[in-house]
Amino acid sequence: AAGVIQSPRHLIKEKRETATLKCYPIPRHDTVYWYQQGPGQDPQFLISFYEKMQSDKGSIPDRFSAQQFSDYHSELNMSSLELGDSALYFCASSSPVVRTDTQYFGPGTRLTVL
Amino acid sequence: EDQVTQSPEALRLQEGESSSLNCSYTVSGLRGLFWYRQDPGKGPEFLFTLYSAGEEKEKERLKATLTKKESFLHITAPKPEDSATYLCAVQGWGGADGLTFGKGTHLIIQP
Repeated sequence: AAGVIQSPRHLIKEKRETATLKCYPIPRHDTVYWYQQGPGQDPQFLISFYEKMQSDKGSIPDRFSAQQFSDYHSELNMSSLELGDSALYFCASSSPVVRTDTQYFGPGTRLTVL
Repeated sequence: EDQVTQSPEALRLQEGESSSLNCSYTVSGLRGLFWYRQDPGKGPEFLFTLYSAGEEKEKERLKATLTKKESFLHITAPKPEDSATYLCAVQGWGGADGLTFGKGTHLIIQP
């Protein structure tokens, strides 16, 4: 079965640079979530989109922004990168159409800020 | 604010030695409780969704149960390939869309 696709899988940036992470949800899933997982930490919810509109916001820094496009893929834009932004970034998708809010996670993007 | 506490933090078992992982939660109206398995550097892999107290779900050597305050993940006759971090998460009605995760239980199964 098709899964969530994330790109790139690894990204290395310098401090103060910008980064763009991409997420392609499972086909026919219309809701996308972004999470950040620091070393040894549990995933922290950043932001979600439903039908191309921002649905909810978690602990997302003001330096980060995201959007969902007409084909339901989503991009997380990160500016003025800091050392503390180094983490695994996961995208998840779900489909409210079926009676389940189960979120299916992608393989993640490992961001390293030097 | 939704909260999830998992115990133990780490568990080492011999192959074939059954045990249970605990997930205690507080949430304003449970929308769903989720169990995931996560291998190092990988994305959380979905295992179970539970919606109401008394519900049980099984998959191979794993069985998840739910009460009004906690959930258990029972592992029967585990194998070394069951070694992973098991994450519990909740989603509440009226709360954020995002899941609130516990810190996880790091499970090691020794041959």
